[in-house]
Amino acid sequence: QSALTQPRSVSGSPGQSVTISCTGTSSDVGGYNYVSWYQHHPGKAPKLMIYDVSKRPSGVPDRFSGSKSGNTASLTISGLQAEDEADYHCCSFAGSYTWVFGGGTKLTVL
Amino acid sequence: QVQLVESGGGVVQPGGSLRLSCAASGFTFSSYGMHWVRQAPGKGLEWVAFIRYDGSKKYDADSVKGRFTISRDNSKNTLYLQMNSLRAEDTAVYYCAKDGPGWYIDYWGQGALVTVSS
Repeated sequence: QSALTQPRSVSGSPGQSVTISCTGTSSDVGGYNYVSWYQHHPGKAPKLMIYDVSKRPSGVPDRFSGSKSGNTASLTISGLQAEDEADYHCCSFAGSYTWVFGGGTKLTVL
Repeated sequence: QVQLVESGGGVVQPGGSLRLSCAASGFTFSSYGMHWVRQAPGKGLEWVAFIRYDGSKKYDADSVKGRFTISRDNSKNTLYLQMNSLRAEDTAVYYCAKDGPGWYIDYWGQGALVTVSS
């Protein structure tokens, strides 16, 4: 149950695109198409942004997209906006009713 | 709308016990699995435990195995986390979270802070 690996921080200017990676193993990210991403503003409840690698819940802007290649999943945010500044966490199902999260990435909008 | 409200957090000495509660509303609680997830200061999220919709099966992380117990009372729409033999490294914000229709969490509470310190 080792944590997934995410960059500690990423940044971009308004209007630009940023991509956050999430690297696991064949036992989690690579083994299942069940990666989800959460946006977390400090002091608030985390919010689901992407599930099943690339699906967006109702109400999440299409500026947010997800993908996966091998043991690495990615979240891309295009057309960055000031309100996108937050922590982003990836999560993968890891089999046998267990889940594993990444260490979180702080997104700064310059 | 889905609401999850945690309670029961606080300061406890190493070796002590604490029970967290999570009051759920806005959905059919008895139809969904539930999770506890925690975040230690300056760290990422860590999955702690999961319980199936009917309480028939429970699963937990190695880091809490044998010390923490997840449970639920579907008649009260409430999820619990009994934490025993607490350690300093258990200090974290504990989130109650609802399982989605697939293998992901779709809603979270705002969290309850647990501090283990002498």
